[in-house]
Amino acid sequence: DTGVSQDPRHKITKRGQNVTFRCDPISEHNRLYWYRQTLGQGPEFLTYFQNEAQLEKSRLLSDRFSAERPKGSFSTLEIQRTEQGDSAMYLCASSTGQGANVLTFGAGSRLTVL
Amino acid sequence: QKEVEQNSGPLSVPEGAIASLNCTYSDRGSQSFFWYRQYSGKSPELIMSIYSNGDKEDGRFTAQLNKASQYVSLLIRDSQPSDSATYLCAVNRGTALIFGKGTTLSVSS
Repeated sequence: DTGVSQDPRHKITKRGQNVTFRCDPISEHNRLYWYRQTLGQGPEFLTYFQNEAQLEKSRLLSDRFSAERPKGSFSTLEIQRTEQGDSAMYLCASSTGQGANVLTFGAGSRLTVL
Repeated sequence: QKEVEQNSGPLSVPEGAIASLNCTYSDRGSQSFFWYRQYSGKSPELIMSIYSNGDKEDGRFTAQLNKASQYVSLLIRDSQPSDSATYLCAVNRGTALIFGKGTTLSVSS
């Protein structure tokens, strides 16, 4: 068990380009979460999956954002037509969904939109 | 009113002192409460969880919960320079965790 893995760790892109982030959760965890964090702020909830089903999406998740977890294992978060305001750290977390639902975070993917 | 509120700090304490971090939340239906620590440039890591009213101690850390007042706190005894970090309060909203902005703690040697 290597924890929650995220890739890439850093991404620099030009405004208007599409970017995709990947998250591999802890293998026995069936819940997967995406958060966004900007400087000086706490993580903001974006969306979560129970197995392959996307069960909740924040109003922060605009139409340019889409997340998938096709086989209930890894997940991808795609941002289309990036804007400078999308620059942030994108954090993935997973949990077993049992008991108190403790989240374990990955190292994050830092996005810079020029 | 924000769902989870914390003073952003910075909170500065000398080495060996007690650091007290506070958090209030708005959803009376919340049942699970967490404190995460985040070092600069790193991701959050869980340090304490609490689910019922009262105190919960783990080493130098004590979490306190008062559901009637919708208040959670974290005490760090014998603060060390290595405790310098941002402390995030998190509260469940259904199956999601909602975080506060975090309180930055600085422990001086």
